[in-house]
Amino acid sequence: NAGVMQNPRHLVRRRGQEARLRCSPVKGHSHVYWYRQLPEEGLKFMVYLQKENIIDESGMPKERFSAEFPKEGPSILRIQQVVRGDSAAYFCASSGTSGTFTGELFFGEGSRLTVL
Amino acid sequence: GDSVTQMEGPVTLSEEAFLTINCTYTATGYPSLFWYVQYPGEGLQLLLKATKADDKGSNKGFEATYRKETTSFHLEKGSVQVSDSAVYFCALSLVGTSYDKVIFGPGTSLSVIP
Repeated sequence: NAGVMQNPRHLVRRRGQEARLRCSPVKGHSHVYWYRQLPEEGLKFMVYLQKENIIDESGMPKERFSAEFPKEGPSILRIQQVVRGDSAAYFCASSGTSGTFTGELFFGEGSRLTVL
Repeated sequence: GDSVTQMEGPVTLSEEAFLTINCTYTATGYPSLFWYVQYPGEGLQLLLKATKADDKGSNKGFEATYRKETTSFHLEKGSVQVSDSAVYFCALSLVGTSYDKVIFGPGTSLSVIP
């Protein structure tokens, strides 16, 4: 399967713990997007990354949240000191390299975080 | 700024009814337009797209036409099925010199009852 792979699919954390969500984009894709979806709500853009660069993090909360997309390995969305309000589905999407961008995003199946 | 507006849901239809989900956009350039579908418990997947004015995207019986004069991209299907129950997202993309922007609407939930 050459699609976007996210793990874990389900994650349970207690308040104050850290959550780490991983995303492997489609092979050959160098752009990664993270979105958050709260129950019964739409997609909220969080961050857009290219390899080793954060391009747009305007949707990321200023505290506790961080994202990276290293030269090797998956993209990581990290949430420190989780609170109940962080409970949501987190979706990763990828797209092709600059110059070949068609506008289409390829989504993973999401990571569902539950904070107890 | 650039944005996408969709009709509010939830929308409930009987099987074989006609479906329209309205979508309008605001963009500074010439966007490509998309409809994505999210089935329960899954990620989004592309349903159809159109890259320039008057293009019609179609897939699985769904259609949408890129109307530049009304800045719209309404989704239609002549006869819905129970299996079409999902959340539908309208989106636009703009190719930039260094930033390829993708903007989603809020989504419209569709329930089709037998």
